[in-house]
Amino acid sequence: SQQGEEDPQALSIQEGENATMNCSYKTSINNLQWYRQNSGRGLVHLILIRSNEREKHSGRLRVTLDTSKKSSSLLITASRAADTASYFCATKRKRNYKLSFGAGTTVTVRA
Amino acid sequence: DVKVTQSSRYLVKRTGEKVFLECVQDMDHENMFWYRQDPGLGLRLIYFSYDVKMKEKGDIPEGYSVSREKKERFSLILESASTNQTSMYLCASSLSVYEQYFGPGTRLTVT
Repeated sequence: SQQGEEDPQALSIQEGENATMNCSYKTSINNLQWYRQNSGRGLVHLILIRSNEREKHSGRLRVTLDTSKKSSSLLITASRAADTASYFCATKRKRNYKLSFGAGTTVTVRA
Repeated sequence: DVKVTQSSRYLVKRTGEKVFLECVQDMDHENMFWYRQDPGLGLRLIYFSYDVKMKEKGDIPEGYSVSREKKERFSLILESASTNQTSMYLCASSLSVYEQYFGPGTRLTVT
C-alpha cells in the first residue's frame, strides 16, 4: 500500500531555478527517504531524515520533515539539466524492514 | 562501491511461461527486496527477504514466488506469466533500517 504521496505529480523549471516537491504520509514513521530515478533506470538514494530530525542538507538538496503534519519537502537549489528525473519519497515505519514508496514527482529542467 | 545487478535489462516472455529474474548484491546485506513499478502507481513491494531462506510477502505477492539460497542472491519467479505482469521489476538490498540500493531494473514484457 502507498504510504507516501508526492505533490506535484510533475514539475517543469528553467535551469538555475529551485525545485520543490512535497510528500505526505499517513502513519508514524522511523525515517523518511528521498530517491531519484533517471528514465528507465533503478532508483538512487539521495537523503534520509530520521523522525527526530527537522531538516537535513546534502549538497544542493534540502529536506524538511514535519511529523505533526506528516509531511516532508525536498528542495533542489540551482537546478541543472542532469536533475531531470523522477523523485520518490519513501517512508519506513518502526519495527518494519519495508519502505513504502509514493508515485513520484517527475521533474524536467529546461536548458 | 555498492553494487546490485539484475540478470536482464529487457525480457520478453510468452503467457504461461515460467520466468526467473535474478538479483545479486555484493555488499553482504541481510535484506533484499523485489518491487514492481508501473506508471502512476510507484513502487509496490512483491516480496522481501531478511535472511537466507527467509522470506515475507509484500503488498502484491500473488502470482510470484521467491528464492534465497545464498545471502547475495535473491530470485523472483513468475510461475505462469500473464500479460498483467508486464512491468518494470526492481531489486534492492539494504543493511538493517537504512537506505536501499537498487539494481538497474528488468523491463519484462509478457505477450
